[in-house]
Amino acid sequence: DAGITQSPRYKITETGRQVTLMCHQTWSHSYMFWYRQDLGHGLRLIYYSAAADITDKGEVPDGYVVSRSKTENFPLTLESATRSQTSVYFCASRETSGDGYNEQFFGPGTRLTVL
Amino acid sequence: AQSVSQHNHHVILSEAASLELGCNYSYGGTVNLFWYVQYPGQHLQLLLKYFSGDPLVKGIKGFEAEFIKSKFSFNLRKPSVQWSDTAEYFCAVSISGGYNKLIFGAGTRLAVHP
Repeated sequence: DAGITQSPRYKITETGRQVTLMCHQTWSHSYMFWYRQDLGHGLRLIYYSAAADITDKGEVPDGYVVSRSKTENFPLTLESATRSQTSVYFCASRETSGDGYNEQFFGPGTRLTVL
Repeated sequence: AQSVSQHNHHVILSEAASLELGCNYSYGGTVNLFWYVQYPGQHLQLLLKYFSGDPLVKGIKGFEAEFIKSKFSFNLRKPSVQWSDTAEYFCAVSISGGYNKLIFGAGTRLAVHP
């Protein structure tokens, strides 16, 4: 089915471990985004990508790394997980638009717990 | 820096009550405005959006929002809520021409009691 998927849906890891969250979209959208959702903060942008091999930092990028070798995939890596990175992570994508009014479509989220 | 404020963090209503959720943003230029909804255990879905034209925007499931430029506001309304409207609601702003980076408010949790 077409859409945006994330894996895993749930992940428990330990402090200091590397973790990669996967995001895949079937629409060939140019833009992709990673957000984290924390109580009281809403969603905050971690990184975004305007196209393959083009990425840029968002509001809270520290401790995260992204890559975009293919248009449809946008993995997010926590290089050395910390407890403060316990959160729900959402991937999103949208069509190319010069004006930016197209909606973003969100994946189902990954609930990450760092012990 | 741009920011979005949602005034109510938790709202509890009975079915058939009217709903208004406040949203204010801080940015002096052209903006695009969105309301997203997140039902329990689900991902975010778009309720409605405003980018130009009529400041009164109608969305899905009977929701509407009014953009008041002079007040930097984009409040969400529904005349009669249902139990199925129980969800978290997020207001979001994107700066026109700014890669559509969405800036979200902290969210409002709505609980509707039968």
